[in-house]
Amino acid sequence: QLVESGGGVVQPGRSLRVSCAASGFIFSNYAVHWVRQAPGKGPEWVAIISYDGRHESYADSVRGRFTISRDNANNTLYLHMNSLRPDDTAVYYCAKDAGFEAATGEFDYWGQGTLVTVSS
Amino acid sequence: QSALTQPASMSGSPGQSITISCTGTRSDVGGWHLVSWYEHHPGKAPKLIICKDTQRPSGVSDRFSGSKSGNTASLTISGLQAEDEADYYCCSYAGGSTWVFGGGTKVTVL
Repeated sequence: QLVESGGGVVQPGRSLRVSCAASGFIFSNYAVHWVRQAPGKGPEWVAIISYDGRHESYADSVRGRFTISRDNANNTLYLHMNSLRPDDTAVYYCAKDAGFEAATGEFDYWGQGTLVTVSS
Repeated sequence: QSALTQPASMSGSPGQSITISCTGTRSDVGGWHLVSWYEHHPGKAPKLIICKDTQRPSGVSDRFSGSKSGNTASLTISGLQAEDEADYYCCSYAGGSTWVFGGGTKVTVL
């Protein structure tokens, strides 16, 4: 199970951190991703962090502004979002990668999402 | 990282088959055997239904099948049922540890 939290309304230029609490699987064995979906649009892949936290990758649209991190001791994934813009408004989902200690881009479990609204 | 192209909507009657296309480039769909498909009922978590272009994860109905030719992947839903009414998204590896989704296709069962 994946449960996101931390969404809300934030002004442009401000920061926000969303979290994802994992349970029901060995969190430290799997890469995890953030995927977002703006209202009325298709999903957009945002970022991935490797199972051990040593490797990260980002979409061009967020690179340099967002940071993905994880706490394997507490089975929690984070997304730190800085310099937020109105076009960052979306439901943010965490998604578990299906690959054991590898990134396959197959998202076999998703959370229900947390809504982030960037507006003045 | 441009979004993959899917038809915005498709429809079919119960029992019919429909095929949803997902068009990308040699840098994503055509460059790897790593296209996956997701079924998304609004308000629920998306569900993985096809991986590695053509493979069905355990527990997924065999009415769902995936294929690929060049830069275009396809999802076929056979024997359409009312419960198949949902949004469907394709996703492909795009190199450099990045992924790209399609814009989504809304399937309506008439």
